[in-house]
Order: sequence, then structure tokens, then C-alpha cells
Amino acid sequence: DAKTTQPPSMDCAEGRAANLPCNHSTISGNEYVYWYRQIHSQGPQYIIHGLKNNETNEMASLIITEDRKSSTLILPHATLRDTAVYYCIVRVASSGAGSYQLTFGKGTKLSVIP
Amino acid sequence: DTGVSQDPRHKITKRGQNVTFRCDPISEHNRLYWYRQTLGQGPEFLTYFQNEAQLEKSRLLSDRFSAERPKGSFSTLEIQRTEQGDSAMYLCASSLFSRGNTEAFFGQGTRLTVV
Repeated sequence: DAKTTQPPSMDCAEGRAANLPCNHSTISGNEYVYWYRQIHSQGPQYIIHGLKNNETNEMASLIITEDRKSSTLILPHATLRDTAVYYCIVRVASSGAGSYQLTFGKGTKLSVIP
Repeated sequence: DTGVSQDPRHKITKRGQNVTFRCDPISEHNRLYWYRQTLGQGPEFLTYFQNEAQLEKSRLLSDRFSAERPKGSFSTLEIQRTEQGDSAMYLCASSLFSRGNTEAFFGQGTRLTVV
């Protein structure tokens, strides 16, 4: 799987949008971008994933650049409960080699401030 | 179904003892994964099952570690002769794999402390 680069930490004011960047310049054409988050002392929680089109669900939006070398996870109205470590992961889709595992980096620690 | 369930949530053991953890996946999920997470690091893949078959093991999984999923439902992870370096959070996840991957859902983890 391609490697990802994320800032180690970010702050966001409560109620504002949180924009978490991720670089994945070596991503392959068959690799998806996944985002997970991990609230302290809990297991990782799936947020969203995408291939090349922008995606939105009830939790967040995912914006992927046209060249697919970077992406941004957007939490539109951050709350204190969004304080967590956010992991950006690229993963082979379908049944490709290595498709079974998620390779986590250190992620971005997002602190939402009142 | 309340998601992936792990038991126990916490385990303290003396060095040299054996420990066993249990994971109950989401009922219709055919893939089950074990990860390990040490302080300040992201989770690291250990092994995974598709139904009852263990299809891949990481180099992190030493001979002291063994995982089973006997009937393709729940899974156990056993660590023999525990060492202090085994202290970590052990996470289980499950997913449904048919023609492609779906997202993996994680349990709350079992925190192991070896003293």
C-alpha cells in the first residue's frame, strides 16, 4: 500500500469546519483513500472512503484532488466529541494483493477547542 | 447486533503467563482481523481470517502467538509465555468480503499489561 503523510496535530474551534489534509503522492490507480478515527481508549472508527470522486456521508466529506496525490477530510461543524486521532489510509480495492489489511500511520491528533 | 465485541477489555498478567482474548465479529462478516497497538502508534496488522481459514500472518506474530477461528464465527488470540513487550492494545475488526472489500469495523480492544 502507498504511504501517507499527515500533520501530527491540529486544533479546531468548536462549531467550525475541521479540514484534515493527507498526502499520498505514490497512490496507485486501484487504491482507495480511507479515513478512520480513534477516540481515546476506543477502537478505530470508519469515517469515509473514496477512489477519485468527492464523497460525503453523515459524518464527513472527502475531497480528493484530480491527480489523486492528496485528499482532505472535512468535518463541517466540529464538536468536542470529534477530538480524536484521524488516520488517512490508502488501500487496494477488490481482491488485489494486500487488500486485506489497513496500514495505519501515526495519524493527525485533532483537538476541538471550546 | 451491537458491533464487534472483545473480551476482556483489560487484562493484567505476570510475565511468563499465557493469556487468551476473544473476539465476536459482526454476525454476517466473513473476514476477521487482529491488530496490535502500542502507545502513540497506529494499529499494526497481525493476522486475518476469511471464514475459518487463517490466510495471512504478519511477521509481528511470533511463535508465541496463535489465533483461531474454529467455526468461522468468533476468534481467539492466545499469547504464550507473555513478555513485557507484549503489553499493548489488541484490536479485532471484521468486514464483509464478497467481490470486494467493505470497510472494517473495529471492537473496543483488549488492553494487555504484562508486569
